[in-house]
Amino acid sequence: EAEVAQSPRYKITEKSQAVAFWCDPISGHATLYWYRQILGQGPELLVQFQDESVVDDSQLPKDRFSAERLKGVDSTLKIQPAELGDSAMYLCASSSLAGPSYNEQFFGPGTRLTVL
Amino acid sequence: AQRVTQPEKLLSVFKGAPVELKCNYSYSGSPELFWYVQYSRQRLQLLLRHISRESIKGFTADLNKGETSFHLKKPFAQEEDSAMYYCALRPGSSNTGKLIFGQGTTLQVKP
Repeated sequence: EAEVAQSPRYKITEKSQAVAFWCDPISGHATLYWYRQILGQGPELLVQFQDESVVDDSQLPKDRFSAERLKGVDSTLKIQPAELGDSAMYLCASSSLAGPSYNEQFFGPGTRLTVL
Repeated sequence: AQRVTQPEKLLSVFKGAPVELKCNYSYSGSPELFWYVQYSRQRLQLLLRHISRESIKGFTADLNKGETSFHLKKPFAQEEDSAMYYCALRPGSSNTGKLIFGQGTTLQVKP
């Protein structure tokens, strides 16, 4: 069964360092989402792509966060420089407007980031 | 403001007891409501959505627009229902598919 893949699963870094997360959506899913989940809270959308275009990045802290999906398939989320408050789970999800799972978001396992 | 509130962080019940996980939302338009579940060491997955009006694993949820609620119910809890449950809203007027999640409720079903 197709699944959303993410790497790394865990990342420990020091503040002021740069980190990058990778996501490979389910094949054929045009929409890709990055969410951040702080411990004890629900996921919060950071950025949404439709193919290679950004649809919504209103909650993305653009001074330090960047996201790209150059070929409209896999995606990278980068933080530079990392701050202590960035410690969280970063979730990737994908969805398609076709088929029986119309617009259902499928989530990856997440990358747990710890900033020291 | 668009918001989803799950008032209980933890709900603990005995096996066979009824379960109701509360969810209230704040949204002026016509939202889509969902329940997501995350079992231990598994990824977040869709449990049910209000537009399909189906029962999954014995769970049901009814959208009450008057009370702006979408509570999740199951008449007889099973130990395998122990998990984290998130209520989520997708704004109907949004041209994006983004979900707004509540803070989640941990359901603990004791034997």
